[in-house]
Amino acid sequence: EAGVAQSPRYKIIEKRQSVAFWCNPISGHATLYWYQQILGQGPKLLIQFQNNGVVDDSQLPKDRFSAERLKGVDSTLKIQPAKLEDSAVYLCASSLVLSTEAFFGQGTRLTVV
Amino acid sequence: AQTVTQSQPEMSVQEAETVTLSCTYDTSESDYYLFWYKQPPSRQMILVIRQEAYKQQNATENRFSVNFQKAAKSFSLKISDSQLGDAAMYFCAYRSADPGTYKYIFGTGTRLKVLA
Repeated sequence: EAGVAQSPRYKIIEKRQSVAFWCNPISGHATLYWYQQILGQGPKLLIQFQNNGVVDDSQLPKDRFSAERLKGVDSTLKIQPAKLEDSAVYLCASSLVLSTEAFFGQGTRLTVV
Repeated sequence: AQTVTQSQPEMSVQEAETVTLSCTYDTSESDYYLFWYKQPPSRQMILVIRQEAYKQQNATENRFSVNFQKAAKSFSLKISDSQLGDAAMYFCAYRSADPGTYKYIFGTGTRLKVLA
């Protein structure tokens, strides 16, 4: 079974530039999460989708972050414009709706300089 | 709001020895799930063990076991016969059983070093 795929694995941008991350969840997983993991901290939920609807985006900085999940499958997370404090690993995870286990991708390490 | 606290930023253990990682949490819910995830340098979070709050019996997965104390809101992970491959960051996580709030809340992590 293929796992959660994310790309790119690494990205370096200058502040005020824009960046996008892509996630392909495990086939059949209706729930998709985007987490931000700042160095030395635990992952923090940015947004949770169920199919292509948003369940929770209460911690998403909506003035600069946006996310979409077209057709309830792949998802993209965008930052525009980026700030230095956005430097972090962005993790995507997916799960079956009624499952207690979330499967994580390898993440994208973003460095904003 | 629920919180998860891991008070040990780093732990060390000799190979083949036993180590216990601590986790406490705060919630007003009665039904929930608790997890330990392992994050190696590859960054991919891997589920180590899970515990359903309604179960009194502590979960066990091979060399990994938990001590779940619901009244004390404590959820520690014991690793027996530690191996070099166990070296990683370990995160404790909470997830509500309420279908409307399936998000995972993570602690700050404990870095485990295994000494040969």
